[in-house]
Amino acid sequence: AQTVTQSQPEMSVQEAETVTLSCTYDTSENNYYLFWYKQPPSRQMILVIRQEAYKQQNATENRFSVNFQKAAKSFSLKISDSQLGDTAMYFCAFGSTNAGKSTFGDGTTLTVKP
Amino acid sequence: NAGVTQTPKFQVLKTGQSMTLQCAQDMNHEYMSWYRQDPGMGLRLIHYSVGAGITDQGEVPNGYNVSRSTTEDFPLRLLSAAPSQTSVYFCASSYSFSLSSYNEQFFGPGTRLTVL
Repeated sequence: AQTVTQSQPEMSVQEAETVTLSCTYDTSENNYYLFWYKQPPSRQMILVIRQEAYKQQNATENRFSVNFQKAAKSFSLKISDSQLGDTAMYFCAFGSTNAGKSTFGDGTTLTVKP
Repeated sequence: NAGVTQTPKFQVLKTGQSMTLQCAQDMNHEYMSWYRQDPGMGLRLIHYSVGAGITDQGEVPNGYNVSRSTTEDFPLRLLSAAPSQTSVYFCASSYSFSLSSYNEQFFGPGTRLTVL
């Protein structure tokens, strides 16, 4: 079974600054996927970024990038130029390659301050 | 495409009542899942399906039943509601995982269930 750990229950950042959210996971699988989801107060789950474990290059989506360290089983999310609209709960998730299901961490509540 | 739809959006039940949460997707996804989210926590997998006629248990299956008679629909049944089942329920769907496909799970808007 996989486990996902997010050790920062809450974080805050000033608008326009950079923040990094941490995530570690445990698995015995070699091929898998990792995701960061954003959940604003509307409750909708929004995919922010994904990383395939077989790719060494870190994924980037506009202001969002990850630092994927496969050997260390670490998958952190960096948000650059933080915006007020980034305020939300962020979930790290592990996806197996053999079924459409994911294991989620308990989330980090991020507050962007003006 | 409507994506993943869930009904109802809100529901209040009394202990012991039964009900079915509906989930439908129009993206021809093979995989569908049900999760519950308790306050301040992440999503926990209840049941999942890899195709019509095939279902399996997730991390917290007790008190819930599922069936998958069509590719589009994946209803979740609460057999005898208990206050511990008060939660927000999310349905999700995705294409089958493979090394060459985009494996994003698409989530429905959620159902907030309160059991008194």
